Amino acid sequence: QVQLVESGGGLVKPGGSLRLSCTVSGFPLSDDDMNWIRQAPGKGLEWISHSSRGGTYRDYADSVRGRFSISRDNANNSVYLQMNSLRVEDTAIYYCARGVNFDFWGQGTLVTVSS
Amino acid sequence: IVLTQSPGTLSLSPGERATLSCRASQSITGRYLDLAWYQQKPGQAPRLLIYGASSRATGIPDRFSGSGSGTDFTLTISRLEPEDFAVYYCHHYGISRYTFGQGTKLEIK
Repeated sequence: QVQLVESGGGLVKPGGSLRLSCTVSGFPLSDDDMNWIRQAPGKGLEWISHSSRGGTYRDYADSVRGRFSISRDNANNSVYLQMNSLRVEDTAIYYCARGVNFDFWGQGTLVTVSS
Repeated sequence: IVLTQSPGTLSLSPGERATLSCRASQSITGRYLDLAWYQQKPGQAPRLLIYGASSRATGIPDRFSGSGSGTDFTLTISRLEPEDFAVYYCHHYGISRYTFGQGTKLEIK
């Protein structure tokens, strides 16, 4: 069955960096666009990044553009989110989700940015 | 495109009908007529309910239905079950960017 598992979250100081991973199984990663979505504590969902199937097209929300970078390794069934220059307001649960409809989601990984 | 959901909170009893609204700031037309609905329970990831405005995702009970076009979309739950009380989000995929509504909390009255 389709599974997505995020990892790499944790506590980081403002200005720091973190790299999240999303490892998928149950489908060929090369068949699907992939996305990162986050949810700040007690808040709604915010889409932050998209990668096309081959990784050539990438898009970002204005709130993270220039600081975050999405990449993927289809051979190893993984999608990544490199997060630099982290801010307190980046504190959230980060989810990866499949396709344009977000039909499958991981369980999320918590990123806390605090001094 | 900005998506505005209403009401913010909806208080109903099991067995009642729920109608949730999602209004887009511009008409959603063309190839990417993609308006989806998700359900999120506390401590869980969102779950896709409806895509393409009206198609149920795999495994979603038929008491959930989606409708609408242009700027106005609706998620209807025909008869509420206890497990349906959750937060619901609409989502639009367009050529440029993805957008979520702010969510509607469906709570037990």
